Amino acid sequence: DAGITQSPRYKITETGRQVTLMCHQTWSHSYMFWYRQDLGHGLRLIYYSAAADITDKGEVPDGYVVSRSKTENFPLTLESATRSQTSVYFCASTGGSNSHEQYFGPGTRLTVT
Amino acid sequence: RKEVEQDPGPFNVPEGATVAFNCTYSNSASQSFFWYRQDCRKEPKLLMSVYSSGNEDGRFTAQLNRASQYISLLIRDSKLSDSATYLCVGVLASNQFYFGTGTSLTVIP
Repeated sequence: DAGITQSPRYKITETGRQVTLMCHQTWSHSYMFWYRQDLGHGLRLIYYSAAADITDKGEVPDGYVVSRSKTENFPLTLESATRSQTSVYFCASTGGSNSHEQYFGPGTRLTVT
Repeated sequence: RKEVEQDPGPFNVPEGATVAFNCTYSNSASQSFFWYRQDCRKEPKLLMSVYSSGNEDGRFTAQLNRASQYISLLIRDSKLSDSATYLCVGVLASNQFYFGTGTSLTVIP
């Protein structure tokens, strides 16, 4: 049971480059989420998706783009990376509107130089 | 104002002690509440749900007080392995999750 996986686990990129973080879940969960975690801010929601082709902005969406063409995948793209986007990114999923138990992937540690 | 606020700590307690954490939330429309545990540099893991009637799982007890808009987590007989950061979270009907910044616990031998 693979659960929810993220790739890459570590990434170093330069300012201005585009980078995509991948998230894949094997539970067929309808809801998927992207968070970033920074010291002093805790987990902040970037985007979430209720189902394939349905996405919504969270608390800090600027500079990020998401897509959800398949239920199991929810990639997050930084269109032009900035140093302020250096963070740990977590993907998560829940079973649906009646289930609020959220399960997290192992995270991607992104450094923008 | 943050949706969910919690004391960052750190809480340093001896083994065997009882420790309690509280979180306050601002949105009365929040439907569900949970406690998560996060170990250093790892992903948060679901610890337990929080109900108005209380929820007990071994040494852990979680409680929700809707009137005062806070949730609590009580850990009895603390173990060294309980050392971690504990995150509280409130969930809206729209499935938006709001996490607190976490409370750090260190259990000392």
